[in-house]
Amino acid sequence: DQQVKQNSPSLSVQEGRISILNCDYTNSMFDYFLWYKKYPAEGPTFLISISSIKDKNEDGRFTVFLNKSAKHLSLHIVPSQPGDSAVYFCAASAPGTASKLTFGTGTRLQVTL
Amino acid sequence: DAGITQSPRHKVTETGTPVTLRCHQTENHRYMYWYRQDPGHGLRLIHYSYGVKDTDKGEVSDGYSVSRSKTEDFLLTLESATSSQTSVYFCAISESSAGKGYEQYFGPGTRLTVT
Repeated sequence: DQQVKQNSPSLSVQEGRISILNCDYTNSMFDYFLWYKKYPAEGPTFLISISSIKDKNEDGRFTVFLNKSAKHLSLHIVPSQPGDSAVYFCAASAPGTASKLTFGTGTRLQVTL
Repeated sequence: DAGITQSPRHKVTETGTPVTLRCHQTENHRYMYWYRQDPGHGLRLIHYSYGVKDTDKGEVSDGYSVSRSKTEDFLLTLESATSSQTSVYFCAISESSAGKGYEQYFGPGTRLTVT
């Protein structure tokens, strides 16, 4: 039972344009959501997070949107840069679970010149 | 970057042999986690620790055991390695509180191949 789903395995975007990565979840107990970025042969790196009490969080070029009624979150990267090419994982946490994270399967983003 | 190291970084072992992976942190974080990453599965939690000598199972714990005798070290043991345990293993740490967020910070990973 995949509680966090990233239905797009890959995405290609031109440099300078917007990248939109999507994530859906099924567990209504999740109250904290995170995005991680992963380069090959490295560990995942924390990118941005959002609490369920908010619907938007912004950090520089990265913005995460949360739609609780749809159980959907998205990561927007504007403008996209070649260095953003990586695998992006969304993750979710429920209260009282020792901050265990449930990860999606990842979306590989390629930013082309 | 959070001070997390994993050893070894690469290991090849034979089916049936025991293997221990080590995670070491210098951040004094309370929570530590072991994940495995496989194609098509993302990252899946194997075991986690919420304090010294306090551990619990994750999503894919069968065939694995863990120990945490010190705050800074979290060991993952494959008692008798199988080919299905060929994977990349990541350790993560977290301070984990409502005031500080629930972010986890990951080590560089260990690539384990069981032949």
